[in-house]
Amino acid sequence: GQQLNQSPQSMFIQEGEDVSMNCTSSSIFNTWLWYKQDPGEGPVLLIALYKAGELTSNGRLTAQFGITRKDSFLNISASIPSDVGIYFCAGRNYGGSQGNLIFGKGTKLSVKP
Amino acid sequence: DTGVSQDPRHKITKRGQNVTFRCDPISEHNRLYWYRQTLGQGPEFLTYFQNEAQLEKSRLLSDRFSAERPKGSFSTLEIQRTEQGDSAMYLCASSFMSGTYEQYFGPGTRLTVT
Repeated sequence: GQQLNQSPQSMFIQEGEDVSMNCTSSSIFNTWLWYKQDPGEGPVLLIALYKAGELTSNGRLTAQFGITRKDSFLNISASIPSDVGIYFCAGRNYGGSQGNLIFGKGTKLSVKP
Repeated sequence: DTGVSQDPRHKITKRGQNVTFRCDPISEHNRLYWYRQTLGQGPEFLTYFQNEAQLEKSRLLSDRFSAERPKGSFSTLEIQRTEQGDSAMYLCASSFMSGTYEQYFGPGTRLTVT
């Protein structure tokens, strides 16, 4: 079935550093979403993207919808300890289900205080 | 503004028992989704409802699983004759019917089958 590839799988960063992660698909997507999940909790929606090339910010988070429509990027600026968690990309592809989102396996972010 | 709520948060059951989970979506949302998440994986789609109609079911939803949304508000997910492989986090999400695909998740129900 359809899969999304997220990289890196995990990363350790120093507090205050910027973070970049990405998500790629083998097919064209028309919607990209980024979620953050803390242990034992459900994913929390961070940013939604709907147009190729779109760049959207939410505080220190910035995400982009790749122009090829097959990828998306998430950047976190000036990371802080509460940024720790797992970040998931999710998307809906052209001609795909009206209902379900396809998720990546996540990027686990750990911050050294 | 209340978000999506799920009950119970944790459930431990013995293999072969039946379990039922409840999800209450955000009140203005027409669509309700169920996902399953295992350790180290992203959520995987199980099924979704638009109002009370179940519009799509994943092949992951075996015949031991059944979901309902009888009045178009809350939903229940029942697993019959549980197996150890059913151990997972069961997530519920809701969204508006059209315009966006932004799904908002509840805290999940952690199921452990012993």
